[in-house]
This record gives sequence, structure tokens and C-alpha cells, in this order.
Amino acid sequence: DTGVSQDPRHKITKRGQNVTFRCDPISEHNRLYWYRQTLGQGPEFLTYFQNEAQLEKSRLLSDRFSAERPKGSFSTLEIQRTEQGDSAMYLCASSLAWVGNTEAFFGQGTRLTVV
Amino acid sequence: AQTVTQSQPEMSVQEAETVTLSCTYDTSESDYYLFWYKQPPSRQMILVIRQEAYKQQNATENRFSVNFQKAAKSFSLKISDSQLGDAAMYFCAYIDGGATNKLIFGTGTLLAVQP
Repeated sequence: DTGVSQDPRHKITKRGQNVTFRCDPISEHNRLYWYRQTLGQGPEFLTYFQNEAQLEKSRLLSDRFSAERPKGSFSTLEIQRTEQGDSAMYLCASSLAWVGNTEAFFGQGTRLTVV
Repeated sequence: AQTVTQSQPEMSVQEAETVTLSCTYDTSESDYYLFWYKQPPSRQMILVIRQEAYKQQNATENRFSVNFQKAAKSFSLKISDSQLGDAAMYFCAYIDGGATNKLIFGTGTLLAVQP
């Protein structure tokens, strides 16, 4: 296992189209996070899963966004009816949930450009 | 709400010299963790160093050390003997002591290392 992987690395889509991103966490990690990073900003939390349960969603996650983590393994993030404001880097991170462990491992991200 | 502020959008350092990146944060929590993450161009974010708020001793990791001033809510990163490979965006980040472990990031400091 070489770390967190995200696919695709880059996605260009036309406004109004739907897009789906995939994240494969480190295999033994039970927590998975999605963040969004826009130009000149730090990553912002979108949502996280513990195993297959989605436990928290940010207000940034509008109803056009949906995330899933079936079977507690990989996760997908879908954006419906994309808007130009959705253009950003979408980062996935995973970690092991145990008391005192706070280290998250990040993927390389999916860069979305909405034209 | 917790916030993290990095007031230096860009910094530059000569190879082999020392540089300090600044970070301040705001929280009403007593139990929390602070981090510095490094994001090289087109590569994934990696953890540089971590500080637990309950620890008075400043964390060190090889050439990287922090100056944690809890009362002032300040958390700076010192990079000694800077190397070309240190060139990257550096993010200061915070996690409270709760269950989610979601990271709150600053806006980042872009560090250039001059040969």
C-alpha cells in the first residue's frame, strides 16, 4: 500500500455537468476526509467518514454534493450540475481513529476545472 | 469558531540558512493539537511536525522545530539549514480535542529556497 490515491488527478468539465471523484485510502484506515482547496487558500473541511458512516458534513457541502463510502473502503465525491465556483483542488485524507492519533495522510488531490 | 492565521503569504531563505514561519490561532478549547503540513508543488501534503497543547516542551523533528506560545496562541515553525527540497507551501493547522479530528488550516506560506 503506497498511500492515499485519488482519481482522476485532473478533470475539466463543462458547467452543468456531473463529475465524480474517487479516493482510495490507506487500507487499514477507518477514517476518510474530504477537503476542498481553492487558489490562495488552505484546505477546507467538507465531510468525513468513519468506516461507511458519514459522520459530519460542512455547510460548504451544498445539496449538489454527495459523498459515499460503501463498505468502508474507497470513497466517491460527486458534484452535480457543476458551477464555475466548484473549480478547486479536492483533497482526500485518511487516518486511523484511536485516542491520541491525529495524523492524517493526504492524497495528491483531484484538480477540477469547470469551464 | 476556531481560526488559524498565517500572515506571511511568501517567504524566501538562502540555502543553509534558517527561516521562521509564523502562525497564530484562536480557540477557546484547552485540549487541541497544532500541526505544520508541507505541500510541495503537485505532490501530496505531508505532516512536518505536531504539537500537543498540553505539552510545554516544543516539538522538534530533525531540522524542524516549533515555538509554541500557548498564552499568545502562537505556533511558529523554524527550519534550520534550509535545503532546496524544503521549497513548498507550508500550512499551519489545528485540531480540537474532540472526536472528528478535522483539520482547520491557515492560508499557507509559500517558501522559496534560493541556492
